Amino acid sequence: GAVVSQHPSRVICKSGTSVKIECRSLDFQATTMFWYRQFPKKSLMLMATSNEGSKATYEQGVEKDKFLINHASLTLSTLTVTSAHPEDSSFYICSARRTGGYTFGSGTRLTVV
Amino acid sequence: GQQLNQSPQSMFIQEGEDVSMNCTSSSIFNTWLWYKQDPGEGPVLLIALYKAGELTSNGRLTAQFGITRKDSFLNISASIPSDVGIYFCAGQVERDDKIIFGKGTRLHILP
Repeated sequence: GAVVSQHPSRVICKSGTSVKIECRSLDFQATTMFWYRQFPKKSLMLMATSNEGSKATYEQGVEKDKFLINHASLTLSTLTVTSAHPEDSSFYICSARRTGGYTFGSGTRLTVV
Repeated sequence: GQQLNQSPQSMFIQEGEDVSMNCTSSSIFNTWLWYKQDPGEGPVLLIALYKAGELTSNGRLTAQFGITRKDSFLNISASIPSDVGIYFCAGQVERDDKIIFGKGTRLHILP
């Protein structure tokens, strides 16, 4: 139980386009999800906290207009990277809070060319 | 902001050796977590610690929550090839709070 599905696992997009990443809790409801970004050989940096039915809370230095988060249901949060540029290339990981802990998705490798 | 200092950054060991890594913080965390991340995957929880002084085991893994609530260590005994990966310590101020990650310890096992 407590599975979080993240999709797509890999995506390549052209500079200037937008990319949407989905994070789904498959067998539990998650009122709160978290989005992280990880550069190669680096740690996971929290980008934002996504709350169902309300606006996301962004960490300092994260552009909310660049990284749009929508948490419209208790099982789905989406992260949209708008007008992507090569420096947005990274590994994005979501996490969902459940009773007793947190479950992480398997990540999305975004490459902007 | 809150930061976790994790060491060592990387380790090269022989199969069968024991491993020890630790994490310190300048501020108090009330929950300490240890995760393992394989390449191209999300982190997987190994051990969660909720009380200062707590010592918890999970198979060959043992972790302790420091009594000052500002540090934690993870030991792996009798390492095997599948232990290769990146180990992250992480902390939470409150139980349902966001998780802050350390910089990771990259474990390599020499053939």
